[in-house]
Amino acid sequence: EAGVTQSPTHLIKTRGQQVTLRCSPISGHTSVYWYQQALGLGLQFLLWYDEGEERNRGNFPPRFSGRQFPNYSSELNVNALELEDSALYLCASSLAWANTGELFFGEGSRLTVL
Amino acid sequence: SQQGEEDPQALSIQEGENATMNCSYKTSINNLQWYRQNSGRGLVHLILIRSNEREKHSGRLRVTLDTSKKSSSLLITASRAADTASYFCATLNTGTASKLTFGTGTRLQVTL
Repeated sequence: EAGVTQSPTHLIKTRGQQVTLRCSPISGHTSVYWYQQALGLGLQFLLWYDEGEERNRGNFPPRFSGRQFPNYSSELNVNALELEDSALYLCASSLAWANTGELFFGEGSRLTVL
Repeated sequence: SQQGEEDPQALSIQEGENATMNCSYKTSINNLQWYRQNSGRGLVHLILIRSNEREKHSGRLRVTLDTSKKSSSLLITASRAADTASYFCATLNTGTASKLTFGTGTRLQVTL
């Protein structure tokens, strides 16, 4: 069974640009989560989607947005990139929202903003 | 915001020794989970302990939970070089509808 897949694995952008990160959950998982992990730090919760709806949002500015498609894959968009957006962006999936919260992570997309 | 604080931030031991990591949290929880992250990679779920459980084992892993002290510990017995990684605790907090909140992590280095 394929795990959570993310693309791209690495990318470099400059300040002010926009980026789109993509995530495909494990087959059968309807919930997708996005986390930001700045270098050497813990994970900061960004967004949670379930059944195509945004269910919860972390303490991030509106230039961080996303969506979930009918096939449960998801995109994370970041507009007007800033230097501090440089981080590993992790996507995770789980079964329906009422479960134990156990997450299955992808390998992440490492974003560098110059 | 971070819910959990891991202690120590970094731990260096020799192969064969036991490694103990601690996690403290602030609010009521449904369960607490431990994850492992190899350098710059995705996280892997290790073990989950529910709020009404006190201890759980999985292979060389032993997790304890003390809800009165809002703390948990992860013990890795007979450590191996392959255990070198960062370890994070994560809490599913009461009323937060399936959102896991992660701690700051412990970097474990196991040397030969």
